[in-house]
Amino acid sequence: DAGVIQSPRHEVTEMGQEVTLRCKPISGHNSLFWYRQTMMRGLELLIYFNNNVPIDDSGMPEDRFSAKMPNASFSTLKIQPSEPRDSAVYFCASSPRQSTDTQYFGPGTRLTVL
Amino acid sequence: GENVEQHPSTLSVQEGDSAVIKCTYSDSASNYFPWYKQELGKRPQLIIDIRSNVGEKKDQRIAVTLNKTAKHFSLHITETQPEDSAVYFCAASEGGFKTIFGAGTRLFVKA
Repeated sequence: DAGVIQSPRHEVTEMGQEVTLRCKPISGHNSLFWYRQTMMRGLELLIYFNNNVPIDDSGMPEDRFSAKMPNASFSTLKIQPSEPRDSAVYFCASSPRQSTDTQYFGPGTRLTVL
Repeated sequence: GENVEQHPSTLSVQEGDSAVIKCTYSDSASNYFPWYKQELGKRPQLIIDIRSNVGEKKDQRIAVTLNKTAKHFSLHITETQPEDSAVYFCAASEGGFKTIFGAGTRLFVKA
């Protein structure tokens, strides 16, 4: 198994542009999580899905952020419009059933908004 | 909601010494406590976990203890090696999908 796949690995964009981050979870995993990691705020859970359904998006910082999971093998996190304070590493993770199972993290996307 | 506090934020030890990282949690319903290791520029990876029906778990040089009454759990690394240098995160979950992470401990092992 290739593990959790994220793309792009690095993204540099200008303030105001739309950014789309992509994630492919491990095949057969039912839960998918999006995290944001910064030095100041650590590892923050943004949103998680179970069986493609968003369960809790209370961690999404504001309306500029949206996430979708159209099928079991693909999810996107979109920021529109992007701002410099959105610069961070965004991780996607998946787990077999729910949070009491091990979460397997993807390699992350390093986002820089100029 | 759940809150996880982790101490210390930075820990420096001599190679061969032991390292201990402590976490407290607030939600008494939490029943799953994983520990993740994140090397520089890499993703977090699970190194050990413990469930609320167990008080201690050991895997080679790594052990985790859980005190449900006091709501705290600890990671113990014995005979530390330079490759143990990383950021370690504790986390807590009540089984309803949401896992809350501590702020992390940056461990330096000096050769």
